[in-house]
Amino acid sequence: DAGVIQSPRHEVTEMGQEVTLRCKPISGHDYLFWYRQTMMRGLELLIYFNNNVPIDDSGMPEDRFSAKMPNASFSTLKIQPSEPRDSAVYFCASSFVSGFDNEQFFGPGTRLTVL
Amino acid sequence: EDKVVQSPLSLVVHEGDTVTLNCSYEVTNFRSLLWYKQEKKAPTFLFMLTSSGIEKKSGRLSSILDKKELFSILNITATQTGDSAVYLCAVSQDGAGANNLFFGTGTRLTVIP
Repeated sequence: DAGVIQSPRHEVTEMGQEVTLRCKPISGHDYLFWYRQTMMRGLELLIYFNNNVPIDDSGMPEDRFSAKMPNASFSTLKIQPSEPRDSAVYFCASSFVSGFDNEQFFGPGTRLTVL
Repeated sequence: EDKVVQSPLSLVVHEGDTVTLNCSYEVTNFRSLLWYKQEKKAPTFLFMLTSSGIEKKSGRLSSILDKKELFSILNITATQTGDSAVYLCAVSQDGAGANNLFFGTGTRLTVIP
């Protein structure tokens, strides 16, 4: 298996633009997680899915953020409109074990820069 | 306020040294503590700890949890340059919310040849 795949790897956009980050989890993994990492706040869990259903989005910072998982092999994280403070590395992770405190497999991340 | 604090923030050692990284926490309704290694890119899972006093070991790495004193340590013996990374500690609490998982800011370990 190729592991968790994220695209794009780098994204540079201007404030106010819509940004869509993509993730393909490891096949067979029922859980998918979206994280954000910044120097100031470290790693933060934003939202996670189980069997394509969002379980909890209490980590999503604002209504400008939304995430979907239309099928078992694809998820998106959208920011609309984007702001400079959204600049961060966004990770997607997946696991086959229940609960978010078990081993997760992380993708390479998308480095987002909002100018 | 729930929080996870790691120390030291950074550490530079020579190959062959043994290091101890610390993670202390103040998290209500504790469920588990996790250690991750983050090199240039994504974090990779090292250990999950739920019980006090039971050491988890993987090669030169080991970790133990003290739920009474609210901390965990990660030991790395005979360090190698490949151990250079940021080591992240996270604590989960009871509940299924994304806000039930707290990360420390990490310890940056640099191993010099």
